[in-house]
Amino acid sequence: QVQLVQSGAEVKKPGASVKVSCKASGYTFTSYGISWVRQAPGQGLEWMGWISAYNGNTNYAQKLQGRVTMTTDTSTSTAYMELRSLRSDDTAVYYCARVLSSSSLGWFDPWGQGTLVTVSS
Amino acid sequence: SYELTQPPSVSVSPGQTARITCSGDALPKQYAYWYQQKPGQAPVLVIYKDSERPSGIPERFSGSSSGTTVTLTISGVQAEDEADYYCQSADSSGTFVVFGGGTKLTVL
Repeated sequence: QVQLVQSGAEVKKPGASVKVSCKASGYTFTSYGISWVRQAPGQGLEWMGWISAYNGNTNYAQKLQGRVTMTTDTSTSTAYMELRSLRSDDTAVYYCARVLSSSSLGWFDPWGQGTLVTVSS
Repeated sequence: SYELTQPPSVSVSPGQTARITCSGDALPKQYAYWYQQKPGQAPVLVIYKDSERPSGIPERFSGSSSGTTVTLTISGVQAEDEADYYCQSADSSGTFVVFGGGTKLTVL
């Protein structure tokens, strides 16, 4: 079955960087894009951006441009999201999701299990 | 920036029909999608392209669109449907993905 498995929880200090991985299985990785979505404690969903696993094209949310980088490793069917200059309000659960569309838009199915990133001094 | 507006909460009794709305100026041009999220779990897709239901999602879940509003309807609500529901779409230029603020469905 199609599955996305994310890396484990992280605790970072303000100003540091975090890199979260998302390993895909059960489908042809390069046929779909991956989006990243985060959810702060008790809050709603926030789209962070998208990467094409076919050619590496990216589309980042305006709010995060300059601080986020999304990459893929097609040899291992793994997507990565790196967020730099972490602040306390970056504390959230970070999700990856397969995007069922040829563009950065489209629907997300399935989602990874989530990775909790805590930013605290 | 573009926003999708959902009611914060909806309450229904078991067996009744729940309707959750999502409003946005670009919805006549962009598809909407709906997700169910239960506490401590990742979101699950329940409706795509306004009204299509993925395999494995019960028939009591349906979606519709009218002008600048899309609606998720859950007919014959069951206790297990209690969850947060989020709509998703894109801005009018088709550049960025946007989520609604979420609606907490309570089954009385």
